[in-house]
Amino acid sequence: DGGITQSPKYLFRKEGQNVTLSCEQNLNHDAMYWYRQDPGQGLRLIYYSQIVNDFQKGDIAEGYSVSREKKESFPLTVTSAQKNPTAFYLCASSSRGGESYEQYFGPGTRLTVT
Amino acid sequence: SQQGEEDPQALSIQEGENATMNCSYKTSINNLQWYRQNSGRGLVHLILIRSNEREKHSGRLRVTLDTSKKSSSLLITASRAADTASYFCATDRKGTDSWGKLQFGAGTQVVVTP
Repeated sequence: DGGITQSPKYLFRKEGQNVTLSCEQNLNHDAMYWYRQDPGQGLRLIYYSQIVNDFQKGDIAEGYSVSREKKESFPLTVTSAQKNPTAFYLCASSSRGGESYEQYFGPGTRLTVT
Repeated sequence: SQQGEEDPQALSIQEGENATMNCSYKTSINNLQWYRQNSGRGLVHLILIRSNEREKHSGRLRVTLDTSKKSSSLLITASRAADTASYFCATDRKGTDSWGKLQFGAGTQVVVTP
């Protein structure tokens, strides 16, 4: 079954701790994205990557870091520098080239920091 | 800031009725996409309309695009309880340095009652 997996579904952390959210895809997509969603709001782009070993900051990158060592994987680290990390985090991927740039989303990770 | 703004914020209808929601955006686009999100889940791509297209259909969905007014509408005909979800428009802005980098609106929450 092709798709994107995110783990864990729910994550609880204490303030001051770094936490890493996992995102894996087996769609052979070149591009991957991390979004943050707050209640009643749309998605805001944190980081994106078009190709292995390369990534760019999105609109709200401060306090986050990523890596892209493999095509299939794009983990997101929420650092202690992120002022308000409690949110729903969504990972997505899309293919490179072609006519359609639709994005395929994972099920999300809900992070709660207390 | 968000590129797309959906209207209305929330919509409540009965099964069998049509649901219409609108999206306005600010800058020129390559394409506009609509996504659905069930509560607490990832987003699912519904339809993509390119800037040179005016109308597109997919099953019970009809999307229009008016680039002169910088607006789009999504019509769901003969709604079902399973259509209960939040609907987001997302734009792929012209002139951005990376394809596939979407800007999402805040969404329209649709509730369909039996």
